[in-house]
Amino acid sequence: DAGVIQSPRHEVTEMGQEVTLRCKPISGHNSLFWYRQTMMRGLELLIYFNNNVPIDDSGMPEDRFSAKMPNASFSTLKIQPSEPRDSAVYFCASRPGNTDTQYFGPGTRLTVL
Amino acid sequence: AQRVTQPEKLLSVFKGAPVELKCNYSYSGSPELFWYVQYSRQRLQLLLRHISRESIKGFTADLNKGETSFHLKKPFAQEEDSAMYYCALRGYGGSQGNLIFGKGTKLSVKP
Repeated sequence: DAGVIQSPRHEVTEMGQEVTLRCKPISGHNSLFWYRQTMMRGLELLIYFNNNVPIDDSGMPEDRFSAKMPNASFSTLKIQPSEPRDSAVYFCASRPGNTDTQYFGPGTRLTVL
Repeated sequence: AQRVTQPEKLLSVFKGAPVELKCNYSYSGSPELFWYVQYSRQRLQLLLRHISRESIKGFTADLNKGETSFHLKKPFAQEEDSAMYYCALRGYGGSQGNLIFGKGTKLSVKP
């Protein structure tokens, strides 16, 4: 099992561009989480889904951020337009229904110039 | 309010010395707490949970409700313990709830 898969692993873009981060959770897991990690703020939950339904998006910074989970095996986090302050490592994690352990992906390092 | 506080951004100790990574929480009710660890170039992963009362890689953590703390301890630090450590609290919502993470503490164990 490859675990949670994220793509791309690194993304460099210019301010104002649209950025799409992708996540494939572990098969059979029914919860999916998007986090942002920065030096200043640590690990922040942006949004999480249960059974493809968004449960809590209170951590999404602003309207420039949006997340979707069209099916159980895929989720996207989109930033449009991107800004330099969005530069961070974005993690996706999934969790099976019968445990509280979250399994993290390798992260996407986003740099917005 | 639900909150996790890790007061130290960086903790540096020598090999063989005891180490304690501090974690304090704010939560109404019975908390469920965890420690996650991220080694260099590896994924963030669960280290231990307070419910299990287990010792993993020599680390233990005891929930102290009176002090609202869940400090991570190891009597003799090893160089391979160098990593980023996050304390986490399960938020409201039971098994469907999310985790609230502290800002993390970077542990550096020097030879």
